[in-house]
Amino acid sequence: SQKIEQNSEALNIQEGKTATLTCNYTNYSPAYLQWYRQDPGRGPVFLLLIRENEKEKRKERLKVTFDTTLKQSLFHITASQPADSATYLCALKGGSSASKIIFGSGTRLSIRP
Amino acid sequence: EAGVTQSPTHLIKTRGQQATLRCSPISGHTSVYWYQQALGLGLQFLLWYDEGEERNRGNFPPRFSGRQFPNYSSELNVNALELEDSALYLCASSFSGNTIYFGEGSWLTVV
Repeated sequence: SQKIEQNSEALNIQEGKTATLTCNYTNYSPAYLQWYRQDPGRGPVFLLLIRENEKEKRKERLKVTFDTTLKQSLFHITASQPADSATYLCALKGGSSASKIIFGSGTRLSIRP
Repeated sequence: EAGVTQSPTHLIKTRGQQATLRCSPISGHTSVYWYQQALGLGLQFLLWYDEGEERNRGNFPPRFSGRQFPNYSSELNVNALELEDSALYLCASSFSGNTIYFGEGSWLTVV
């Protein structure tokens, strides 16, 4: 069955460092991979989308890579700030029009001052 | 522009009762998605509606049902509530289908 795995442990990073989160998937060939941020008790917020034919996407301090051979995406936050502390979710969608969007369980990121 | 709105924010029901949750998508969006997020767990896909039709359904029992209205708003119904149905129910909407935008969710507590 389709499976998405994210860093199971929480990630604690010193402010100013680069945080790197991992998303691995199996039994799936996504056409789109997305990252969302979720704060406690709130709905997820869309951050970035990358297509299967794209290797890398950037937005301000965020960078996403997508390796369809390794079946892996890396999500980087450079110059991390305490305000970046949240849970980050990886989401996949297939290429068919009826393909649903499925989410990983998320990685909790804490940036300490 | 208003985002996805959900109501009620909080709902407390007794085991065996029925719960109805409502969602209004972003203006111009024709698809609505429902997800369940139990405390401390990930998002589990429930239902996807587009143009009034059910497009896909997750691995949930038939007592979870819903519909989409002509104005693209949606309703999620949960019958015969069980304690484990207690969760945050998230609605999201989309135009293209590739990126979805979430509301703040409805907290359902079953006692």
